[in-house]
Amino acid sequence: DAKTTQPNSMESNEEEPVHLPCNHSTISGTDYIHWYRQLPSQGPEYVIHGLTSNVNNRMASLAIAEDRKSSTLILHRATLRDAAVYYCILMSNTDKLIFGTGTRLQVFP
Amino acid sequence: EPEVTQTPSHQVTQMGQEVILRCVPISNHLYFYWYRQILGQKVEFLVSFYNNEISEKSEIFDDQFSVERPDGSNFTLKIRSTKLEDSAMYFCASRFGRAPTYEQYFGPGTRLTVT
Repeated sequence: DAKTTQPNSMESNEEEPVHLPCNHSTISGTDYIHWYRQLPSQGPEYVIHGLTSNVNNRMASLAIAEDRKSSTLILHRATLRDAAVYYCILMSNTDKLIFGTGTRLQVFP
Repeated sequence: EPEVTQTPSHQVTQMGQEVILRCVPISNHLYFYWYRQILGQKVEFLVSFYNNEISEKSEIFDDQFSVERPDGSNFTLKIRSTKLEDSAMYFCASRFGRAPTYEQYFGPGTRLTVT
């Protein structure tokens, strides 16, 4: 399975944008980039996914580098509820999600 | 908004006992999963299930584990003879369509405590 690298932790202030990076230099042409998050004491939650083009949804934006070796999850205005562990996961034909250690995001009021 | 539900939220059992963890996936979803998370550790894949059979299972999913979709709505995980190391959060998930273009939706989890 293709590997991703994320910072262990990041901090943000409330209502500021947050850019969560993910490196995936060994990504293959068929790998989709998925982002999930896990709020404290909850199950993982889908955030966004993409293949080549940048993607937007109501939760976040996903910016994918032109060479696809990295991507950035963008939370446009962080709230206290966005404090969670964020996971960047590559998926191709496999059906399962392989979670790493993710990035723990702290949001300060 | 449709959601995955799990019962019970917390299960305490003695070592060697059988437990059944229950999940109700989102109604039009076709792919079902179980994951677990030992306290302070990563979320780990256990098993995927499609078309009434196991699609894939991890090394953790040994003969002590089984899954079943007994009717059109429930999806269960059975542990035949629980061990202390089975203590963890167990998450059920479901997906509408085939990976990787579709996302998984997770339930809130069942905390299993084996004493």
